[in-house]
Amino acid sequence: ELKVEQNPLFLSMQEGKNYTIYCNYSTTSDRLYWYRQDPGKSLESLFVLLSNGAVKQEGRLMASLDTKARLSTLHITAAVHDLSATYFCAPTSGYALNFGKGTSLLVTP
Amino acid sequence: GAVVSQHPSRVICKSGTSVKIECRSLDFQATTMFWYRQFPKQSLMLMATSNEGSKATYEQGVEKDKFLINHASLTLSTLTVTSAHPEDSSFYICSARGARGLSYEQYFGPGTRLTVT
Repeated sequence: ELKVEQNPLFLSMQEGKNYTIYCNYSTTSDRLYWYRQDPGKSLESLFVLLSNGAVKQEGRLMASLDTKARLSTLHITAAVHDLSATYFCAPTSGYALNFGKGTSLLVTP
Repeated sequence: GAVVSQHPSRVICKSGTSVKIECRSLDFQATTMFWYRQFPKQSLMLMATSNEGSKATYEQGVEKDKFLINHASLTLSTLTVTSAHPEDSSFYICSARGARGLSYEQYFGPGTRLTVT
């Protein structure tokens, strides 16, 4: 069974600051997804990382994958209020997504 | 492309009744659909995986007689919560995985909020 550990679970940060969310997983995975969820809404796909060393960036978010360390990171640069949401990582096992517990991010002025 | 819809978006039902939730892939054929449940401030929990034309595979601890899943066509899967109780109140989200070219992706529906009174 693939176990996923995401941290921190809660993050309050000031606008303009940088921070990193970590996602560790227990066994080999083919690919890893990052999703965003706003309150009361479904999931929005942010990134899919397919190989060791993969790095993807979209706006103020950058995701990376180290398959040897079984670690993915989601880096937030110069946070803005609009980034407040819950972020989930989900490495796959077969076709199944294995969700972390999520990181609830609050960006304050 | 790759849009998944769910209906209804919200439903309130009385304890003991059954409620059906539909999940449709609107612009692609979904060979596999997944049903998730999410309690407030928690992560998504996979309930079951269904392939078109075959019986669903349920995750451990999910009662197959209570959560009936039918994947009758390549664009429609339904989840019926039978004899619903207040503890079944949750946010139910489906996702669909297509064939050929979309095989890496699961596309998520907007979710259905079920409240059992």
